[in-house]
Amino acid sequence: QMNLEQSGPEVKRPGTSLRVPCKTSGFSFGNSAIHWVRQARGQRLEWIGWIVAGSGRTNHAQKFNDRVLISRDMSEKTAYLELTSLRSDDTAIYFCAARSDSKIDYMEVWGTGTTVIVSS
Amino acid sequence: SDELTQPPSVSVSPGQTAIITCSGEELSVQSAHWYQQKTGQAPVLIIYKDTKRPSGIPERFSGSSSGTTVSLTISGVQAEDEADYYCQSAAGRVFFGGGTRLTVL
Repeated sequence: QMNLEQSGPEVKRPGTSLRVPCKTSGFSFGNSAIHWVRQARGQRLEWIGWIVAGSGRTNHAQKFNDRVLISRDMSEKTAYLELTSLRSDDTAIYFCAARSDSKIDYMEVWGTGTTVIVSS
Repeated sequence: SDELTQPPSVSVSPGQTAIITCSGEELSVQSAHWYQQKTGQAPVLIIYKDTKRPSGIPERFSGSSSGTTVSLTISGVQAEDEADYYCQSAAGRVFFGGGTRLTVL
């Protein structure tokens, strides 16, 4: 059974960086694609980016420009989202979601989310 | 355009049929996928590639597509179906609709 384990809540100061892990199990990580999606309180889902785990190829939404880095650790079967220069409007729940066959068109399974609060 | 447009809300009585639409130019060439998100929970995939239903999703959930509009139909709505529903498409980058709050009266 596909499972995505996400970490507990984090509080960050404006201007600092965030690194959120997504530990996978129950499927072949090397043949998967992992998306990152965030949701501010009461707001819509917002796609951040994806990584094809086997190749390491990534893509991300233009609004994040050079603030976002998506990576993976094959030995740990874990994907990471890094977001730099944090602002208060980065406060949100950050979800990882996976496809088990390296395709990126939709998300089969979602993690429970990591709550991130950016506040001084 | 990368926008997907959904109605903000739909309300139905139990046992009735709810139809949630999603419109966008790219839907004429890209498939759409639907997620259900209950309050305080992560989204769950309920329809993929316009009409396909993942295992474990009740048969009362179905999807259809026509031109630049896709629809999610919930037949015989139950109280437990009250949730936010999001359409999503992808063309390299990924796009979500604004979400539709389904209220079961």
